Amino acid sequence: EPEVTQTPSHQVTQMGQEVILRCVPISNHLYFYWYRQILGQKVEFLVSFYNNEISEKSEIFDDQFSVERPDGSNFTLKIRSTKLEDSAMYFCASSEQRNYEQYFGPGTRLTVT
Amino acid sequence: QQQVKQSPQSLIVQKGGISIINCAYENTAFDYFPWYQQFPGKGPALLIAIRPDVSEKKEGRFTISFNKSAKQFSLHIMDSQPGDSATYFCAASMRSDYKLSFGAGTTVTVRA
Repeated sequence: EPEVTQTPSHQVTQMGQEVILRCVPISNHLYFYWYRQILGQKVEFLVSFYNNEISEKSEIFDDQFSVERPDGSNFTLKIRSTKLEDSAMYFCASSEQRNYEQYFGPGTRLTVT
Repeated sequence: QQQVKQSPQSLIVQKGGISIINCAYENTAFDYFPWYQQFPGKGPALLIAIRPDVSEKKEGRFTISFNKSAKQFSLHIMDSQPGDSATYFCAASMRSDYKLSFGAGTTVTVRA
């Protein structure tokens, strides 16, 4: 069964450093998403991406964040200068269509020290 | 703005019992309502979903009941098993939207 994969599973970084989280969405999916989940809290939407551009972004997704689809399979989330409050699980998701089933990856746990 | 409210925060049920989780939404433009199951350290896994043109959807032991007029929907887990112990999230999205709005989650513990 096709699945969304994410690397790394855990990333530890120092405050102010740049991190890139990587995702491989399901191959025939066209819509890609990043969500985050701070420990013990609900899943929050960050950004959606379609046709090589951002479709929608939340207030959380400020200028420190960027997304890219560098090739036909990968989808990345970059945080330019990490803050302590960026520590969270980051989930990539993909869907075949908008307003349709979104399938989540296993997540990357980001720890900012 | 909390668009999807979920309750209870946690529940404990005996093996073989019924688990019921409730969600309420505010935005009448929502037209897709999925439920996700999440185990510790894992990503949310799509469990079952419903659209407002039906009042109930059943898949195995999992049933969604949907009340459009009350703007509420619920997940029923029949014959609960210890392997069902997980956190369950309801969510909603709308046709014009790209994002899922999640509820706060319900931790279900099934006692053997």
